Amino acid sequence: DAKTTQPNSMESNEEEPVHLPCNHSTISGTDYIHWYRQLPSQGPEYVIHGLTSNVNNRMASLAIAEDRKSSTLILHRATLRDAAVYYCTGGDSGAGSYQLTFGKGTKLSVIP
Amino acid sequence: NAGVTQTPKFQVLKTGQSMTLQCAQDMNHEYMSWYRQDPGMGLRLIHYSVGAGITDQGEVPNGYNVSRSTTEDFPLRLLSAAPSQTSVYFCASSYYQGEINEKLFFGSGTQLSVL
Repeated sequence: DAKTTQPNSMESNEEEPVHLPCNHSTISGTDYIHWYRQLPSQGPEYVIHGLTSNVNNRMASLAIAEDRKSSTLILHRATLRDAAVYYCTGGDSGAGSYQLTFGKGTKLSVIP
Repeated sequence: NAGVTQTPKFQVLKTGQSMTLQCAQDMNHEYMSWYRQDPGMGLRLIHYSVGAGITDQGEVPNGYNVSRSTTEDFPLRLLSAAPSQTSVYFCASSYYQGEINEKLFFGSGTQLSVL
């Protein structure tokens, strides 16, 4: 299984950029790196995913280290609505199976 | 768009009772899965399925059964509920292309209490 390590919590000021780190040193070469977030009392929602290259979408950017052992989710301008628990996860898609395992995530607080 | 629909939203059971948590998706996703979320534990995978008639165990499968008779539905059965199964349960689905991972769509969750 791909195991991930994230800080328990982080704080950011509103409208400042936020860099959320994740270590996934056991991820295999074909597994994508996913990020999800969970707002209070809601189900997780997809943020972004990538394999090797850095990825951008309307929500965030994903920077993946060249050795793929770590990645960073970048929120370019934090808003109060971005306060959530952010999960980094790596798939375990060995032949014939597919499991996306989540760790405990990083709780992001945004300070007005 | 309905997406992933879970029912019920809340349920209280007595120890030893059985029940089925329902999950349905209308996106024609091959992959479906069940997670449980306990305070401070993140999300843990219970069971998953990569298509009708195919299921497999995740990280914490004990005490739970699943079946996948159609692409749309993936019910989770608790045969004899225990207090340790008190948790919030999430169903998720995605496209599945073998080893190509796609994003998961989650339901809104079922909060289960076992007394």
